[in-house]
Amino acid sequence: DAGITQSPRHKVTETGTPVTLRCHQTENHRYMYWYRQDPGHGLRLIHYSYGVKDTDKGEVSDGYSVSRSKTEDFLLTLESATSSQTSVYFCAISGQLNTEAFFGQGTRLTVV
Amino acid sequence: QKEVEQNSGPLSVPEGAIASLNCTYSDRVSQSFFWYRQYSGKSPELIMSIYSNGDKEDGRFTAQLNKASQYVSLLIRDSQPSDSATYLCAVRSGNTGKLIFGQGTTLQVKP
Repeated sequence: DAGITQSPRHKVTETGTPVTLRCHQTENHRYMYWYRQDPGHGLRLIHYSYGVKDTDKGEVSDGYSVSRSKTEDFLLTLESATSSQTSVYFCAISGQLNTEAFFGQGTRLTVV
Repeated sequence: QKEVEQNSGPLSVPEGAIASLNCTYSDRVSQSFFWYRQYSGKSPELIMSIYSNGDKEDGRFTAQLNKASQYVSLLIRDSQPSDSATYLCAVRSGNTGKLIFGQGTTLQVKP
């Protein structure tokens, strides 16, 4: 399995609080992605990174920010969590521009 | 219009039959195409990747790509109950590396 670790694996938080999810990789891959998965929507891209400090928005970026200060870590922050951000969040990594991506185990986030 | 579209299903086939899953995409500069399988409560796992027009076979799986028509398909031969899962089509932009998924097709293989 690709060396990808997401933390935490489960989190319950209150509306209005900030939340940071971490994706850590040991593969030295260039590309990293954050997705959310909700019933009926498949995987929707939130943000992605194509190098250290190089990030771009995905399909559903509103309410989320990311940072990548080193190759191995990609952080996803919900500045002020809302109930609509209750979801399962997946991180993925990829080594080359046109190669496959591998997924972490996911983080289940519940905003109450 | 979504960038990657799939029929959400469910697609139901009897054991031993061929399952055919389809996907269309809108970005003509897309260069890489992938099929992932996801079991309930698990992470997506890669089944096939395809980069050029035509067919690519791997065991019971065949991926087909037609860039002119902008569609990708996955055939599963001799379907087994263990193939019951959600199948996700993914398309990667050749320019940016952005990786977009369809909403997934749920496959049910009945014994």
